[in-house]
Amino acid sequence: DAKTTQPPSMDCAEGRAANLPCNHSTISGNEYVYWYRQIHSQGPQYIIHGLKNNETNEMASLIITEDRKSSTLILPHATLRDTAVYYCIVRRSGNQFYFGTGTSLTVIP
Amino acid sequence: NAGVMQNPRHLVRRRGQEARLRCSPMKGHSHVYWYRQLPEEGLKFMVYLQKENIIDESGMPKERFSAEFPKEGPSILRIQQVVRGDSAAYFCASSNQRDTYEQYFGPGTRLTVT
Repeated sequence: DAKTTQPPSMDCAEGRAANLPCNHSTISGNEYVYWYRQIHSQGPQYIIHGLKNNETNEMASLIITEDRKSSTLILPHATLRDTAVYYCIVRRSGNQFYFGTGTSLTVIP
Repeated sequence: NAGVMQNPRHLVRRRGQEARLRCSPMKGHSHVYWYRQLPEEGLKFMVYLQKENIIDESGMPKERFSAEFPKEGPSILRIQQVVRGDSAAYFCASSNQRDTYEQYFGPGTRLTVT
């Protein structure tokens, strides 16, 4: 599975959009991009995933560049409860997710 | 619909003792995954099981660690003769099918070896 690179930490003002970048320059054609988050040492929570089209659900939007070498997770109106570690994961298929060290997002009042 | 249950939430063991961690998947889920998270690190996959079968144990240490998911009852992760390096958070996840995009995680068991 392709490796991902994320900034270690980010801040975002409450109510503003949080844009979390992820680089996955070695991604191959059949690998999906997944985003999970982990709030304060709880179990990770699924957010969204995509292959090459942009995706949106009730939690977030996922923007994948045309060459698929990077993506951005967007939380449209960040709240204090969105403070968490966000993991960008690329995988082909199978049983396991590889969680790197992620981005620690702090939402500031 | 209850989520994934793990117990105990916290477990303290002395070096050389055995640790048993239990995981009850979500109702209707027959696929269970175990992950380990060391301090300041991301989760690392350990093992994937279906009822009565180990499907993928590529992340399991070769010695002292074992896992099972019997026909009845929870999945068990067993660590024999624990050492300080086993101190970590152990998370269980479940899904209702193989190769799914979403795994539902439990709250984890925090193992401390003294």
